[in-house]
Amino acid sequence: TQLLEQSPQFLSIQEGENLTVYCNSSSVFSSLQWYRQEPGEGPVLLVTVVTGGEVKKLKRLTFQFGDARKDSSLHITAAQPGDTGLYLCAGYYGGSQGNLIFGKGTKLSVKP
Amino acid sequence: ETGVTQTPRHLVMGMTNKKSLKCEQHLGHNAMYWYKQSAKKPLELMFVYNFKEQTENNSVPSRFSPECPNSSHLFLHLHTLQPEDSALYLCASSQDWSGYNYGYTFGSGTRLTVV
Repeated sequence: TQLLEQSPQFLSIQEGENLTVYCNSSSVFSSLQWYRQEPGEGPVLLVTVVTGGEVKKLKRLTFQFGDARKDSSLHITAAQPGDTGLYLCAGYYGGSQGNLIFGKGTKLSVKP
Repeated sequence: ETGVTQTPRHLVMGMTNKKSLKCEQHLGHNAMYWYKQSAKKPLELMFVYNFKEQTENNSVPSRFSPECPNSSHLFLHLHTLQPEDSALYLCASSQDWSGYNYGYTFGSGTRLTVV
């Protein structure tokens, strides 16, 4: 069974700080996605990474896919209160049907 | 409306009740999903429908019964639930059957409480 481990589970920081959250697996994924979920809402897709070593930037967010495609990181520069939420990584492992496997998430709180 | 719409947003039901959750997508997607989100657990895939055909049932108890009358609508019928079934139930859709290229679009969820 494929498992995605996310760390840390919880993170509370002050506005303006930088942070990195991690997503690790023992399996190789064909692609990996990051979602953000705000309280009372469903997850919203932020990015999809496909190629080992790939780096994508979305404003202050930088996403990296590990060379071996078993891990990923999300770095936020100068965090803002609007970044508060649950960050989920989800890996696609392929197969005849194939579906996304989600991690438990990192709950981020950015205080003004 | 655009996106994925779920109703109701909140539902409280007794263990002997029968209720249904509704999901509607206006994105022209071909695949729809039901997920369960509980505290301290990863999102759990329950059912997958691709072009209205159920392609996956992740060992979900029979007290949960999905229905997909067309590619835009998805229902989850609930009966004789247990308190441990209390959770956020999320509906999602994707353009392709796996979400590989474009990911999933989620609804806002139904917060279900079983008393």
